[in-house]
Formats: sequence, structure tokens, C-alpha cells
Amino acid sequence: RKEVEQDPGPFNVPEGATVAFNCTYSNSASQSFFWYRQDCRKEPKLLMSVYSSGNEDGRFTAQLNRASQYISLLIRDSKLSDSATYLCVVNPYTNAGRSTFGDGTTLTVKP
Amino acid sequence: DAGVTQSPTHLIKTRGQQVTLRCSPISGHKSVSWYQQVLGQGPQFIFQYYEKEERGRGNFPDRFSARQFPNYSSELNVNALLLGDSALYLCASSLRQGNTEAFFGQGTRLTVV
Repeated sequence: RKEVEQDPGPFNVPEGATVAFNCTYSNSASQSFFWYRQDCRKEPKLLMSVYSSGNEDGRFTAQLNRASQYISLLIRDSKLSDSATYLCVVNPYTNAGRSTFGDGTTLTVKP
Repeated sequence: DAGVTQSPTHLIKTRGQQVTLRCSPISGHKSVSWYQQVLGQGPQFIFQYYEKEERGRGNFPDRFSARQFPNYSSELNVNALLLGDSALYLCASSLRQGNTEAFFGQGTRLTVV
């Protein structure tokens, strides 16, 4: 079983749709959590950090449930430019440099 | 401000050869981590260096080694290349060792033939 698991998708949605991605992690001692976005053949880029209280950045909302060891990302009003792979990232220590990545969920937003 | 820079961007090597990849972190960042990403998978942690010391090592063979220089730049070395080493090698820098976001370079795409 992988330490961080994501539904690989692909998710194919029309513009304007709301889409949710889920991620589960196995290490209950994990300290910090992030969502990264990766475009085809490019480097991952930080989308947002994930906090226990939940956080929102425009059309994006991230939630963390420590009890269930579950992270989610909600994208509202999808744009064509949201098409990418979304990577769930968990840091098992208080150390950002040793991140464990999921294999990503691919999103395609269609006109 | 310059972001994380990696060189070279692309590289083709033959099985058995050795390769050195380079990374310059964001100015002021003291932590550098290396990741390997094969097609269809997420990045896999190889090494982390902080203040020029190795602070973590992932599940990679001893053919992989790295170091960090006084200016916080870093090199990743891979000896005795195998076909399976073909991947995108990513360098990430972060401000501190603990609990901060990591910023990635554009990566070095290594092909072993």
C-alpha cells in the first residue's frame, strides 16, 4: 500500500463544473500537507497548503481530516486552464524537504 | 528573484555511465531536496540537504549520491546508470528544514539508452 494514495482519474469535466479530489495518507504522525499542480512535462508548483481548519484561495478549497487521514481539494467554476495533474503531498516529519507525493489526479476541463 | 535553477535541462547517457546534475536554490533557501519522477508517478524523495549536511535519504541504491556546497547549491550524482534511471530529476528548495513549502526547479530529464 502506498503512503499517499490518490484516485488517478482522469477527471473530465466541462467548464464551470465543480470537481473534488481526494487523498488518503497512511502515516498518522504526518505534520504538514500540500496540494501541488503539475502541468505536462513541467515541474510541480505549489497550489496551496492544507490546514486542519481548512483553507480557501479563490475557487480552490482544501480540507484536512486528521482523524480519517484524508485530504481533499475542491475546485469550483472550473476553467480550461485548470487542466493539469494535481499532486497530494504529505510531510511525515516537521521537515519540508522529505515530502511524500501521491501519484496525482489528472484533470481535463473541456469547453 | 531567480527561482530554483537546474542544469542541464536534458541529458542522454549510456548504460554504465555516470551523471552529475546541478541545482541552485532560491536565494536565502538553505534546504535542497532531490526527487526522481518517472512517467505516470509522483516524485520520489532521494535526498535532502540542509546547511550542507545530509538530513534524509530515500529508498535509493548507493549509486545515488549528493552533496551541498557552501553557497547552498547542490549536485546529484548517479553512477553505473541503468535504463530504469531514466526519469525527470527534480530539485526543490525550501527556506528551512522544517514545515515550509518547497519550490521546484524545472528538472533535468535524463534518458539512459
